[in-house]
Amino acid sequence: NAGVTQTPKFQVLKTGQSMTLQCAQDMNHNSMYWYRQDPGMGLRLIYYSASEGTTDKGEVPNGYNVSRLNKREFSLRLESAAPSQTSVYFCASSQKPRLAGGKHTTDTQYFGPGTRLTVL
Amino acid sequence: AQSVAQPEDQVNVAEGNPLTVKCTYSVSGNPYLFWYVQYPNRGLQFLLKYITGDNLVKGSYGFEAEFNKSQTSFHLKKPSALVSDSALYFCAVRPYFYSSASKIIFGSGTRLSIRP
Repeated sequence: NAGVTQTPKFQVLKTGQSMTLQCAQDMNHNSMYWYRQDPGMGLRLIYYSASEGTTDKGEVPNGYNVSRLNKREFSLRLESAAPSQTSVYFCASSQKPRLAGGKHTTDTQYFGPGTRLTVL
Repeated sequence: AQSVAQPEDQVNVAEGNPLTVKCTYSVSGNPYLFWYVQYPNRGLQFLLKYITGDNLVKGSYGFEAEFNKSQTSFHLKKPSALVSDSALYFCAVRPYFYSSASKIIFGSGTRLSIRP
């Protein structure tokens, strides 16, 4: 199993250009996430998809759009890139928490290797 | 609102000494707590999690973490540090009660540096 894969690994854009970051997982997980990582700020959630067919905004959604193409794939699109979007982007997936024995199971997230994006 | 604090940006430890990476949290109700590790140019890897039960949780690579409800802390520990433990460590929290609006919140990270 490849786990969570992301393409591309690196990308340089000019301000105003658009691009799509691709993410796929082969663990049959229901939930998928996009984060950005900036120095000193940890990971911030951009968008997530709790299950196929649904997407929701996270902490920092402005300037991004997402598509949950199917259960395996969750893409992140920058329509008009800005220098403030220079960051490392991580995709993650997890099984959707569910009730088992009267308690909710937890949702350990599994991360892809990241995409390093520079916007000039 | 839920939050996670990692008060130390960097922790420096000599190889063979015990290490502690601190984490405190704020969440409504009981928490799920996680530790992740990130090696250079890699994604985050899961280390361990606390759901319920024993306050001392054992995880990968000899790490363990102690849940302290009264102090709202979940510090990561290892009895004897290795140079290969040098990495960026993230604490994360989510409310015990799941809803579509509840998400995992990550701390800002602590860089652990182990000197030979």
